[in-house]
Amino acid sequence: QKEVEQNSGPLSVPEGAIASLNCTYSDRGSQSFFWYRQYSGKSPELIMSIYSNGDKEDGRFTAQLNKASQYVSLLIRDSQPSDSATYLCAVNGRRGGGYQKVTFGTGTKLQVIP
Amino acid sequence: DTAVSQTPKYLVTQMGNDKSIKCEQNLGHDTMYWYKQDSKKFLKIMFSYNNKELIINETVPNRFSPKSPDKAHLNLHINSLELGDSAVYFCASSQGAGNRGYTFGSGTRLTVV
Repeated sequence: QKEVEQNSGPLSVPEGAIASLNCTYSDRGSQSFFWYRQYSGKSPELIMSIYSNGDKEDGRFTAQLNKASQYVSLLIRDSQPSDSATYLCAVNGRRGGGYQKVTFGTGTKLQVIP
Repeated sequence: DTAVSQTPKYLVTQMGNDKSIKCEQNLGHDTMYWYKQDSKKFLKIMFSYNNKELIINETVPNRFSPKSPDKAHLNLHINSLELGDSAVYFCASSQGAGNRGYTFGSGTRLTVV
């Protein structure tokens, strides 16, 4: 089982719709969860972080965390063509020696169709 | 004022050569990382340094040698380059263990021919 799993997509949504991106993780001891956006040919950019169960909203973005189900999701409301990118789920889990390591999923490619 | 800067941005070299990639951050972070992103876009950690001390060293060929002269700099030297080393290498930094996320550099696209 991969440490962090995402559907690679592409996920195609019409402009103005809600895009829903999902991620599961295997380490039950994980404490911090992140969503990064990566445009083609660019570096990953942090857009959301979440640490406790429930929802966290920031503008058009909502991150949802369910630790019991080991599930993280990202909702993008009123999707715009500029949201077209690959979205990477990242999980900060415990590691031997007391140091934590962030593991990334393979990303979901989102296409917002005008 | 680039927060995490990497040089060079592009690197094309022949098999067997030795090359270095440099990274500098001006965010005051104490932890820096090297990640490799392959053609399938999978980001895999290679190394991490905290205050110049190596804290993460994943299963990476020993042809790859990181060096951190101070907490603002993390360089990556690669000996005897192979075709399979072709990828985009990202430097990143964070404060502490990265519980507030990472800031990435713009990446170095390495092509070995």
